[in-house]
Amino acid sequence: GAVVSQHPSRVICKSGTSVKIECRSLDFQATTMFWYRQFPKQSLMLMATSNEGSKATYEQGVEKDKFLINHASLTLSTLTVTSAHPEDSSFYICSARDSSKGRETQYFGPGTRLLVL
Amino acid sequence: AQSVTQPDIHITVSEGASLELRCNYSYGATPYLFWYVQSPGQGLQLLLKYFSGDTLVQGIKGFEAEFKRSQSSFNLRKPSVHWSDAAEYFCAVGEVGQGGKLIFGQGTELSVKP
Repeated sequence: GAVVSQHPSRVICKSGTSVKIECRSLDFQATTMFWYRQFPKQSLMLMATSNEGSKATYEQGVEKDKFLINHASLTLSTLTVTSAHPEDSSFYICSARDSSKGRETQYFGPGTRLLVL
Repeated sequence: AQSVTQPDIHITVSEGASLELRCNYSYGATPYLFWYVQSPGQGLQLLLKYFSGDTLVQGIKGFEAEFKRSQSSFNLRKPSVHWSDAAEYFCAVGEVGQGGKLIFGQGTELSVKP
């Protein structure tokens, strides 16, 4: 089946630093990837849609200058949390859409747990 | 606006008992519907999906779901629950023509007692 990886799986950083999270589709090409944020015991909230070769589309209320998204290839999207603060601590999950395998099917990565001290 | 509601935040069933997790959606047209499962600290695994056709959908791990347009529901069922089924379950609706965006329900946490 389709596999999506994320790196790192966990990261701890100091307040004010930037953190980059990678999302890779390992066995398929993904023109579209999605970034979600999940707080403990809550559902997934879509942050942005990442399209290969173009600018990401951010959901309302998500700061695009704080959460930088780059989708430079058909298998890699990155999310950079700039000047991270403790309130950015969360579980970040990416997903990738395999357009060749049927409409609207997303495959999810294992998630990255970010802790900002 | 599109929305997904999972009325049950937490459900406990005995191992071997049947299971039904409820999902109701609000959507203007026929949506794409999904059920995902999430184990603690993990990403989401697709259990099953409905796009069109037969309204009873079979998924992995013995799960099935039935799309009922008249009730705007897509309930997940399993005839006999195993202890390994304990996890968080999310229902989601895909927005047609919106590039695959998913709207998730609040999730239902399933506990399985011996």
